[in-house]
Amino acid sequence: DVKVTQSSRYLVKRTGEKVFLECVQDMDHENMFWYRQDPGLGLRLIYFSYDVKMKEKGDIPEGYSVSREKKERFSLILESASTNQTSMYLCASTPGLAGGGADTQYFGPGTRLTVL
Amino acid sequence: AQSVTQLGSHVSVSEGALVLLRCNYSSSVPPYLFWYVQYPNQGLQLLLKYTSAATLVKGINGFEAEFKKSETSFHLTKPSAHMSDAAEYFCAVSGTGGFKTIFGAGTRLFVKA
Repeated sequence: DVKVTQSSRYLVKRTGEKVFLECVQDMDHENMFWYRQDPGLGLRLIYFSYDVKMKEKGDIPEGYSVSREKKERFSLILESASTNQTSMYLCASTPGLAGGGADTQYFGPGTRLTVL
Repeated sequence: AQSVTQLGSHVSVSEGALVLLRCNYSSSVPPYLFWYVQYPNQGLQLLLKYTSAATLVKGINGFEAEFKKSETSFHLTKPSAHMSDAAEYFCAVSGTGGFKTIFGAGTRLFVKA
């Protein structure tokens, strides 16, 4: 069965802390994504990666960075957490088949991050 | 550029009634269209997707959606709502040759007994 796991379901951090959110997929997928989900705004893409060590900015990359050292693992880093980064963070992966836009996205359960 | 508009942030139906969740899209290239569902405290999972084959797409749990190019719509329907259908539903669009998927703001479905 397809599996995307995220390191924490709930996380509470203080303003200014460095925060790491980890995502692991066991499907040998090429592409991985980080979204944030806010009420009334749907999902917004922060960063995505189409290959190991490759990354592309999404629509809202400011204040975030990512790392993909291994194919199965994609990390989201908040260099200095701020209260406006309080949100639900969702990781997803896709196989990377031809016609990538048609791929189904497989989501992890999400990490609800609160920054105080 | 691509965009998605979901009409109605909240929809309430009675158990056994028709479910209709509306989605309109904008795309400069032939679109791929998706409906995802999110149950409480879970990630999103695919309900169904349109990838330029049949315009009427059947998904899981009795849901279906019809791609209407002339109306730029991809509305989601289910003939008879069940209590277990209560969730948030997201319409999404992507295009050929790309990785990015654009999600709508979501519609929360309430099912009354």
